[in-house]
Amino acid sequence: KNQVEQSPQSLIILEGKNCTLQCNYTVSPFSNLRWYKQDTGRGPVSLTIMTFSENTKSNGRYTATLDADTKQSSLHITASQLSDSASYICVVTDTGGFKTIFGAGTRLFVKA
Amino acid sequence: ETGVTQSPTHLIKTRGQQVTLRCSSQSGHNTVSWYQQALGQGPQFIFQYYREEENGRGNFPPRFSGLQFPNYSSELNVNALELDDSALYLCASRSAGGRAGTQYFGPGTRLTVL
Repeated sequence: KNQVEQSPQSLIILEGKNCTLQCNYTVSPFSNLRWYKQDTGRGPVSLTIMTFSENTKSNGRYTATLDADTKQSSLHITASQLSDSASYICVVTDTGGFKTIFGAGTRLFVKA
Repeated sequence: ETGVTQSPTHLIKTRGQQVTLRCSSQSGHNTVSWYQQALGQGPQFIFQYYREEENGRGNFPPRFSGLQFPNYSSELNVNALELDDSALYLCASRSAGGRAGTQYFGPGTRLTVL
């Protein structure tokens, strides 16, 4: 069964600290993996997208890694800011582009 | 801003009623997907439209139906509303000729069923 599992479910960190969010998937055959940031009640906004051949992708303070062999990805946030408080969703798409599986997300709270 | 717009932003309905949600895709995007996102959950795929035809569907009953128009805008219709239909409904568009997975989400419509 195609699945995307994220951990932790929620996370609280202090402003300025770093954190890493995890995503494990079983979607096959794999095409790409995306990380989205979703503010409460808003649509998701794309942070990074990686294909099978890419190991890392950065977008400002966000760095995503991908290990296609172990089917694991991580999203690292450096020097967190209060505005980073949101849900971070991992999304995996198969090679046909028709099967897109969303993780349940990690809820990040950044405190002053 | 992604260029994808949805209307209305919020909607309150009662059980048994019908609802229509609307989505305008980003310019040049001919593929539109609809998702249902319950509180605290990830989005669940409802269906996808390409050039006015449904070409993919998730595990949703037939009372969830859709349309895509020649200008690639789209509607999601839900009949016989149930309490569990309360959710954020997201529309996402992409170009079919573009990289698979490069889709842009609208802000969503929050539907509450009482």
